[in-house]
Amino acid sequence: GAVVSQHPSRVICKSGTSVKIECRSLDFQATTMFWYRQFPKQSLMLMATSNEGSKATYEQGVEKDKFLINHASLTLSTLTVTSAHPEDSSFYICSARKGLGTTVRDTFGSGTRLTVV
Amino acid sequence: EDQVTQSPEALRLQEGESSSLNCSYTVSGLRGLFWYRQDPGKGPEFLFTLYSAGEEKEKERLKATLTKKESFLHITAPKPEDSATYLCAVQRGGADGLTFGKGTHLIIQP
Repeated sequence: GAVVSQHPSRVICKSGTSVKIECRSLDFQATTMFWYRQFPKQSLMLMATSNEGSKATYEQGVEKDKFLINHASLTLSTLTVTSAHPEDSSFYICSARKGLGTTVRDTFGSGTRLTVV
Repeated sequence: EDQVTQSPEALRLQEGESSSLNCSYTVSGLRGLFWYRQDPGKGPEFLFTLYSAGEEKEKERLKATLTKKESFLHITAPKPEDSATYLCAVQRGGADGLTFGKGTHLIIQP
């Protein structure tokens, strides 16, 4: 099966610092990786789409300078929350896509709980 | 704008009591409709993908169906371990991410 590893699972940081979250597909090469954010009792909201070797595509309202995405290889994408503030506290989840066209399967990581104090 | 609405928001059932969860969607050019299960503090776990109206898929006690406007997740004779939040999501374009509903929080009481 497809496995996606996301680290760290929890992080607490001080306001103004930066935090890096890593997402790896362990047993497959992902055509695309995605980053989502989930606030309590809300749906997962797509933040950005990440492809290896190219710039990430951000959804409307997501600040690209605040949420830096690096997609170093077909199995690794990182999200850096820069100059984090309490309102950035949330559950961040990545997914890695296997397949193209009409038959795709998105496998999700276990998520990162970010708390900014 | 793509929209996904799930109902009910929460559902409490007795063990063995069958029921259905609803997912209504509006999307231009549906590429696929997905069902996921999410446990607290975890990422979503894939259940099904449906591609066209009339399609049905089954896995153990779960069966997903799709029409042109909505999808149902039927759960038959549920067990306490089926307790989770069930998420519905749609994909429009081939390279697009998923648009999720808020989910149905399902509790199965022994």
